[in-house]
Amino acid sequence: NAGVTQTPKFQVLKTGQSMTLQCAQDMNHEYMSWYRQDPGMGLRLIHYSVGAGITDQGEVPNGYNVSRSTTEDFPLRLLSAAPSQTSVYFCASSYSISPGRLQETQYFGPGTRLLVL
Amino acid sequence: AQSVTQLGSHVSVSEGALVLLRCNYSSSVPPYLFWYVQYPNQGLQLLLKYTTGATLVKGINGFEAEFKKSETSFHLTKPSAHMSDAAEYCCAVSRSCYNKLLFGAGTRLAVHP
Repeated sequence: NAGVTQTPKFQVLKTGQSMTLQCAQDMNHEYMSWYRQDPGMGLRLIHYSVGAGITDQGEVPNGYNVSRSTTEDFPLRLLSAAPSQTSVYFCASSYSISPGRLQETQYFGPGTRLLVL
Repeated sequence: AQSVTQLGSHVSVSEGALVLLRCNYSSSVPPYLFWYVQYPNQGLQLLLKYTTGATLVKGINGFEAEFKKSETSFHLTKPSAHMSDAAEYCCAVSRSCYNKLLFGAGTRLAVHP
């Protein structure tokens, strides 16, 4: 298994540009989420999904869109990038150990470093 | 609202010395507690976790943590630091059945000879 993969590893955008950060997992995990990591603030949850077709907002969802059309993929879209979105973005996944109960451990991807000028 | 506080954004120890990284949380219900480690330019890796049962939890690379409900703490320790332990350490709590993680600000551990 490749685990959780993220592309690209690094991206530079100009203010107002749009882009999609890709996240994929090959472990058949139902739960996937996106975090951003900023110095001195730790990781903060942006959006999460409990299964294909189901998404919800986290702590800092503004400026980001997500969709979950398949179990494997959970892309994060920036429609109009802003310098405040300069950050390192991590995708994570986990699975259900029983109906309605998720395994406690989340598996993280290697991250995407985004710079918005 | 839940919160996670990591005391000390930077901790420096000598090789062979005790490592103590502090984590306190606030929660109205017993949470799940985690320590993740992040090496430079890498993703987060689970170091250890507490869910239920024994309050002293052992993890990888010789680390352990003790859940103290009365102190709302989950401090991470290692008896003898190694140069390879230099990394960012993140404490987190899981606050709902949907496994959303709430992270502390992180502590960068430096190990010097």
